[in-house]
Amino acid sequence: AQKVTQAQTEISVVEKEDVTLDCVYETRDTTYYLFWYKQPPSGELVFLIRRNSFDEQNEISGRYSWNFQKSTSSFNFTITASQVVDSAVYFCALSETLRGGFKTIFGAGTRLFVKA
Amino acid sequence: GAGVSQSPSNKVTEKGKDVELRCDPISGHTALYWYRQSLGQGLEFLIYFQGNSAPDKSGLPSDRFSAERTGGSVSTLTIQRTQQEDSAVYLCASSLSTGGAVNKLFFGSGTQLSVL
Repeated sequence: AQKVTQAQTEISVVEKEDVTLDCVYETRDTTYYLFWYKQPPSGELVFLIRRNSFDEQNEISGRYSWNFQKSTSSFNFTITASQVVDSAVYFCALSETLRGGFKTIFGAGTRLFVKA
Repeated sequence: GAGVSQSPSNKVTEKGKDVELRCDPISGHTALYWYRQSLGQGLEFLIYFQGNSAPDKSGLPSDRFSAERTGGSVSTLTIQRTQQEDSAVYLCASSLSTGGAVNKLFFGSGTQLSVL
């Protein structure tokens, strides 16, 4: 069964703190993709990163970094030196094969509040 | 425009009426998704199209919900005999997903449905 769990409903930090958002997934596929999306208060979802199941290299992009570990089925997202503009809802998503294409499901999201 | 277009942006209807929500994906995108987001909640998967066919309709909440896609392009989500619990933002997304790989989803701005 395909499932994405984001156990943290809300996180509140003070600006410049580091914060890690957790994501745990379940899949029976050997080929799958993981994503993180950001939904700022304006509402429109914004793509952040995509990883495939064969690439476990961690990735860093500016203040953002991602830690993918197949052994624990986790794909965690860390924001270093958080800023107020990082306040948003962050969604982890999983795509697995389905009849010639890929079905994508999302976790429940983690709402991040960054206070000045 | 170049993005995913959804119409109407807002729809207020009376309980028991039927509504049609439209999604115009990015040209050439083979995969199209419908999600529902209730206030403060995550993204609930409704249905996924690969071309004109829907390999997975398991997310449709009831038989009052149906969707179609024609010409591998525009999709319509129809809700019959609307109920108050149908009130939510309905999001459409498209991607270049093929059998070989999956790319990120591009989201529309959503249709805010309010059932009075």
